[in-house]
Amino acid sequence: ETGVTQSPTHLIKTRGQQVTLRCSSQSGHNTVSWYQQALGQGPQFIFQYYREEENGRGNFPPRFSGLQFPNYSSELNVNALELDDSALYLCASSFIGTLYEQYFGPGTRLTVT
Amino acid sequence: GEDVEQSLFLSVREGDSSVINCTYTDSSSTYLYWYKQEPGAGLQLLTYIFSNMDMKQDQRLTVLLNKKDKHLSLRIADTQTGDSAIYFCAESTTNSGYSTLTFGKGTMLLVSP
Repeated sequence: ETGVTQSPTHLIKTRGQQVTLRCSSQSGHNTVSWYQQALGQGPQFIFQYYREEENGRGNFPPRFSGLQFPNYSSELNVNALELDDSALYLCASSFIGTLYEQYFGPGTRLTVT
Repeated sequence: GEDVEQSLFLSVREGDSSVINCTYTDSSSTYLYWYKQEPGAGLQLLTYIFSNMDMKQDQRLTVLLNKKDKHLSLRIADTQTGDSAIYFCAESTTNSGYSTLTFGKGTMLLVSP
């Protein structure tokens, strides 16, 4: 069974740029959630995707957007990067019938300068 | 709104028991979780407890839930240096067909030899 994978591992971007982060779900999982973890904080829910549509969203502005593909992999896109977007971005996958079991990938560390 | 609080730091000696405490506010939470995060890594699901349970034991881990006081604890028996990490308490919230996790800020557990 393949776990959740994310790419890239690390990324450095300049304020105002755009970034795309990628996530591959654990085998058999059809739901993907994205979380932002700022330094010294717990993860915060960004949004969740199921059947290629946004299923729910946390308190994040529209410049945070996502996609889910037919193979259940997902992308997180952030436009007009701000310094406060520097964080660890975590992807979690689950099966829609067992949303209470979310398994996390290793994360992408984004630094905005 | 939902809020999860944890003490920030715990230091124990190898072989001792560790107890990490957490309080939450959402009385409708169905599941409560403990995740472990090692430096530079993603979140590892350690265990979770259904809200109608008082206790769950899994090898060295014991979870106690006091629903009346909205208090959750994680006891690690025979703590090892490899248990040094940040431990996150989280509660599940279900909204209109999607489920999200709300995390505390994490408790750093330091195990000394």
